[in-house]
Amino acid sequence: SQQGEEDPQALSIQEGENATMNCSYKTSINNLQWYRQNSGRGLVHLILIRSNEREKHSGRLRVTLDTSKKSSSLLITASRAADTASYFCATVTQGAQKLVFGQGTRLTINP
Amino acid sequence: DADVTQTPRNRITKTGKRIMLECSQTKGHDRMYWYRQDPGLGLRLIYYSFDVKDINKGEISDGYSVSRQAQAKFSLSLESAIPNQTALYFCATSALRGQGSTDTQYFGPGTRLTVL
Repeated sequence: SQQGEEDPQALSIQEGENATMNCSYKTSINNLQWYRQNSGRGLVHLILIRSNEREKHSGRLRVTLDTSKKSSSLLITASRAADTASYFCATVTQGAQKLVFGQGTRLTINP
Repeated sequence: DADVTQTPRNRITKTGKRIMLECSQTKGHDRMYWYRQDPGLGLRLIYYSFDVKDINKGEISDGYSVSRQAQAKFSLSLESAIPNQTALYFCATSALRGQGSTDTQYFGPGTRLTVL
């Protein structure tokens, strides 16, 4: 079973616009992570937010976490063509020692 | 050089054949994982290992087996491949908790397996 569900499943925007992806999960977490996957390649870790954090930034990425709603969002500002990829949230539940991935959001940045 | 490598990168085989996928890492991590990814889906955990003597089943271990030959090597076997095992397979590593671990995982480039 998958812990995270992502919304939307696919997103297409113009270069320069901001992209927002959402992730909802079911059980209490230790931390939540976002990964990027370029077509057919391995996943690359982007950012981790712990359960006691509400917001985190890394470059053009901004992640928020609302534990009361069991949800997280990933914002990519000033998108570029190179941001075209699939983005996955993954959770580490309390007491567990492994990641559980969502189904991902496929992001397309149009030039 | 890549920190996590997988061999082969692509493999086509026939139903009933035994297949081994190999993973090596130079990150010095204790923990290693095998996932499969099907089109349009996220990753599902097959097996994971927290050290050489520790092997654990994941979400979808049926039809698969693993061997942790050394800290740096973790192989996945399909004893008798079937068509619904056609997928993209990923190996990943992470550091042991207590050593500054944040559960971040580092992925190999993947093996595309096709079972005819």
